[in-house]
Amino acid sequence: DIQMTQSPSSLSASVGDRVTITCRTSQSVSRFLNWYQQKPGKAPKLLIYAASSLQSGVPSRFSGSGSGTDFTLTISNLQPEDFASYYCQQSYTNTWTFGQGTRVEIK
Amino acid sequence: QVQLQESGPGLVKPSETLSLTCSVSGGSISSDYWSWIRQPPGKGLEWIGYFHYSGRTNYNPSLQSRVTMSVDTSKNQFSLNLSSVTAADTAAYYCVRVGYSDISDWFDPWGPGTLVIVSS
Repeated sequence: DIQMTQSPSSLSASVGDRVTITCRTSQSVSRFLNWYQQKPGKAPKLLIYAASSLQSGVPSRFSGSGSGTDFTLTISNLQPEDFASYYCQQSYTNTWTFGQGTRVEIK
Repeated sequence: QVQLQESGPGLVKPSETLSLTCSVSGGSISSDYWSWIRQPPGKGLEWIGYFHYSGRTNYNPSLQSRVTMSVDTSKNQFSLNLSSVTAADTAAYYCVRVGYSDISDWFDPWGPGTLVIVSS
C-alpha cells in the first residue's frame, strides 16, 4: 500500500494567516490526490481533487498543488470556519488510502 | 443534487455481522461508483471499498475477507455487510459517491455518517 504522511499533525494559527499543509506519498501517485476538510461531529467535505482542482462551492482561499509524491494544501487568509481537520487521499493504486490528518487550531 | 443517508443498527455484538444501508436521493445509483469509508472515534479515515451496480467491486485488502457490498436498484440503495466484527470495527461509517476523471477519483458527496459500536 502507498503510505501517506501529512505534516504537521497539528498547527495553531490566527484568523488571516496563510496556512500550508503537506502530504507526501511513499511512491508517485501522479495527480491522483485529493483534500478533504472535516469539522467535529461532521462528515468530511471535498475541497480539492486531482491535486489542484477546486471543488465547486469551495472558497478560492483554498488551493492545492503538487504532483508525484509531494503535495500542498494552502489556505490563504484563514477564516474562523476553517478551523478543522484536513485529510489527503490518494486514488492512484487499487487500494485507496488517506493521510493521518492535520488539525488546524485557533492560536 | 445527490444526497446520501446511512441507516442500520448502532450496536452490534462481537462475532456478528454489521449491516448498513445507504439511501441515495437526487440521482440514480446506476450511474456512478459508490463507496464506504469508516472512522474509529478520534482516529483517521479508512476506505472500505467501492462497487458499481454492474457488479464491479474493489475492496480494501485489509477487510476483503469480511466485506460484501451490494445494491438494490429498485430502492436506489446500496449496502455494506462486514462479518465477524470485533471492537476494532467500532467506527462512524460513511457512504459516499465516487467522482472520477482521467487524473483522479474522489469522494463526494458524503452521507452524514452513522456510529456503529461493537459490544456485547
